Amino acid sequence: RKEVEQDPGPFNVPEGATVAFNCTYSNSASQSFFWYRQDCRKEPKLLMSVYSSGNEDGRFTAQLNRASQYISLLIRDSKLSDSATYLCATLKNTGRRALTFGSGTRLQVQP
Amino acid sequence: GAVVSQHPSWVICKSGTSVKIECRSLDFQATTMFWYRQFPKQSLMLMATSNEGSKATYEQGVEKDKFLINHASLTLSTLTVTSAHPEDSSFYICSAEIAGGPDTQYFGPGTRLTVL
Repeated sequence: RKEVEQDPGPFNVPEGATVAFNCTYSNSASQSFFWYRQDCRKEPKLLMSVYSSGNEDGRFTAQLNRASQYISLLIRDSKLSDSATYLCATLKNTGRRALTFGSGTRLQVQP
Repeated sequence: GAVVSQHPSWVICKSGTSVKIECRSLDFQATTMFWYRQFPKQSLMLMATSNEGSKATYEQGVEKDKFLINHASLTLSTLTVTSAHPEDSSFYICSAEIAGGPDTQYFGPGTRLTVL
């Protein structure tokens, strides 16, 4: 079983739609959580950190459920420019400080 | 914001040659840098953690004699793929953490390696 799992998609949605992605993690030592966006053949770019209380940045809302060990990302009013692969990542509080990534969920927003 | 550069951005080489990839933190010091590899349609997988002034820590299954890492200064880490083979063709990405800073890692733009 992968340490961080995501539905690969693709999610094909029309402009203006609301779309949600989930990500589950198996390592209870995970202490920090992130959503990254990766465009084709580019490096991942940090979209937002995820906090237990939930956090919002414009059209993007992230939630963390530690009891069930999953994080979510909600995108409202989807834009064409939101088309990308969304990676969730975790950071453990023990050992090495590298990120563990999910395999990503592909989003395609259509006109 | 913190900027990380990588050089070259892409390279094509013949099988059996060695390729060096540089990762630089341009406006901050990084005691730790990370090297990831990403195959098509797969996630980023950590290869090794590069520590300034000491030996790199490699992940299980990553050959340290094939992927040589040097972190000689607080702003530069290099990854050398020795005797590259077609199966080493991949997207290599480094990231750096600001020394003494928060958890955030800053990624370089990646290097696409194609071995013929």
